[in-house]
Amino acid sequence: DAGVTQSPTHLIKTRGQQVTLRCSPKSGHDTVSWYQQALGQGPQFIFQYYEEEERQRGNFPDRFSGHQFPNYSSELNVNALLLGDSALYLCASSLWGGHLNTEAFFGQGTRLTVV
Amino acid sequence: LAKTTQPISMDSYEGQEVNITCSHNNIATNDYITWYQQFPSQGPRFIIQGYKTKVTNEVASLFIPADRKSSTLSLPRVSLSDTAVYYCLVGDPTLGRLYFGRGTQLTVWP
Repeated sequence: DAGVTQSPTHLIKTRGQQVTLRCSPKSGHDTVSWYQQALGQGPQFIFQYYEEEERQRGNFPDRFSGHQFPNYSSELNVNALLLGDSALYLCASSLWGGHLNTEAFFGQGTRLTVV
Repeated sequence: LAKTTQPISMDSYEGQEVNITCSHNNIATNDYITWYQQFPSQGPRFIIQGYKTKVTNEVASLFIPADRKSSTLSLPRVSLSDTAVYYCLVGDPTLGRLYFGRGTQLTVWP
């Protein structure tokens, strides 16, 4: 049973470019959340997708957008990259609400470096 | 949103029991307390979750006093591989959104 898989593992982009990160959730999970983790900080919530719709959003600008596909996989897109977007981007999968003690499973993350 | 406070770092030696305490004075009725572990360049991993009293699983115990304003993660007989950042999270798990602080860097020495 595959866990959460993210691709690519590492990425280097130039300021102003656009990037797309991909996530496949754990088998049986229907909800995908994305987090940004800067060096030395805890992960910060970007947004959450369920039934192909954005359900919750953290305090991130519109340059950050996402998509969820019918197979529950998800993409995170970041436009007009800034140096400050350099971080580890984590995908977490879970079951949609109402499930107490349901843990979120995280992928290994994508390390994005903006130069 | 209940703010959490935990030590920035802790040191221990192999074989010792480690207790990491987290303060959450503004915890709400629907909030649960959850702990995650994170190794460098990896995603966080769920350790344990509880609402009140004591919860124990195969890797840790979680102690929550009656007023729920704090909690203690207990790791029995730590090994070098337990060196990681430990995050205390407080929130309603049904909402699906996790709020991480800066965590506690635990370093286990031989």
